[in-house]
Amino acid sequence: SQQGEEDPQALSIQEGENATMNCSYKTSINNLQWYRQNSGRGLVHLILIRSNEREKHSGRLRVTLDTSKKSSSLLITASRAADTASYFCATDSLIQGAQKLVFGQGTRLTINP
Amino acid sequence: NAGVMQNPRHLVRRRGQEARLRCSPMKGHSHVYWYRQLPEEGLKFMVYLQKENIIDESGMPKERFSAEFPKEGPSILRIQQVVRGDSAAYFCASSPSGHYGYTFGSGTRLTVV
Repeated sequence: SQQGEEDPQALSIQEGENATMNCSYKTSINNLQWYRQNSGRGLVHLILIRSNEREKHSGRLRVTLDTSKKSSSLLITASRAADTASYFCATDSLIQGAQKLVFGQGTRLTINP
Repeated sequence: NAGVMQNPRHLVRRRGQEARLRCSPMKGHSHVYWYRQLPEEGLKFMVYLQKENIIDESGMPKERFSAEFPKEGPSILRIQQVVRGDSAAYFCASSPSGHYGYTFGSGTRLTVV
């Protein structure tokens, strides 16, 4: 089964509002990463947070990590139409004896102008 | 400094044919990962390779699918006797260490008709 579970599955907000997406996972991790994917395109790496970090910022992005709850959140502030995309969390974990990046199902974010 | 190169970008195969997908990792990266993405879903791990070695193929279907990463040349994901259910986007990622710095290619979109 997938390591990451994301919520909500879909989110639609007005331009200028903040968007928050959540990710929960099951096993211990080395780090957690967030990616964006525009429709029909490849993945763009947004931000990486290590297991010993609690919060990280990059421009309009803010990521939090709570290892006790095995959860992370991605906040996009002052959203823009160009932020419309699917957002995936991915955990870098040792699973079945090998290090691998395991993705959640994603949140489809729509920013309405 | 080219990123991860995947080709072809789009591939159409008739049922029963073979599909060969290529991935050239970033310069200096010796770890390659293959993922499959079905429409409206997240990426599912398939296989993790280092040069001339398969490290983890736990996500690879037991039949018809194989992967290699030779000493020279790109990594190849090979699907024999394709079926309609193989239609998906196949992404390759590379990293220098297997822990951080994953870079994804733009993917190959396979359509089986």
